[in-house]
Amino acid sequence: DTEVTQTPKHLVMGMTNKKSLKCEQHMGHRAMYWYKQKAKKPPELMFVYSYEKLSINESVPSRFSPECPNSSLLNLHLHALQPEDSALYLCASSRTGTGRNEQFFGPGTRLTVL
Amino acid sequence: GENVEQHPSTLSVQEGDSAVIKCTYSDSASNYFPWYKQELGKGPQLIIDIRSNVGEKKDQRIAVTLNKTAKHFSLHITETQPEDSAVYFCAALLMDSSYKLIFGSGTRLLVRP
Repeated sequence: DTEVTQTPKHLVMGMTNKKSLKCEQHMGHRAMYWYKQKAKKPPELMFVYSYEKLSINESVPSRFSPECPNSSLLNLHLHALQPEDSALYLCASSRTGTGRNEQFFGPGTRLTVL
Repeated sequence: GENVEQHPSTLSVQEGDSAVIKCTYSDSASNYFPWYKQELGKGPQLIIDIRSNVGEKKDQRIAVTLNKTAKHFSLHITETQPEDSAVYFCAALLMDSSYKLIFGSGTRLLVRP
């Protein structure tokens, strides 16, 4: 199984809502990533978890809260988002967190904030 | 910090022709360079990567070359097919404690039937 799955595929939320994005992999990878991608732009790294511990936070606003319950799951909790947070949110995983291993990306969650 | 420049931003070729996309990077310590293909509505998919101990790598119609002295690397697609149409991103590994991938700005490739 070389797949990273993400749910939901699409999400529309208001600025006062609380929602969560979910990511799952069963490749035994010990590093998992959240990226944000705006239209016609490359992915921007948000967070990295290595061995279930947060290792990188790219100065992301606190309205985004990551969580890694176990080595296969990664969540991104959303609260009080702004319309400019609308984007494709991508999850990725790799064998370790050194970056020199292939990162497998999921299909993404298309988020729209009204 | 590390910067990766990618050219061209758009590329249109006739089916069967070759396509070349070029990237330059700034961190001379970088030693890992992946290429990703992103189709509409999908996540990026790794299509080929190269490490600094080799100058060229080939996988069927796709090849990547690396010139460490000049700090640039290129993606070559031969015998292009309509299904090659997508956005292609190059990336370079940042060699600090973060080991982050720094992406280029992307190339939109259109293969005309």
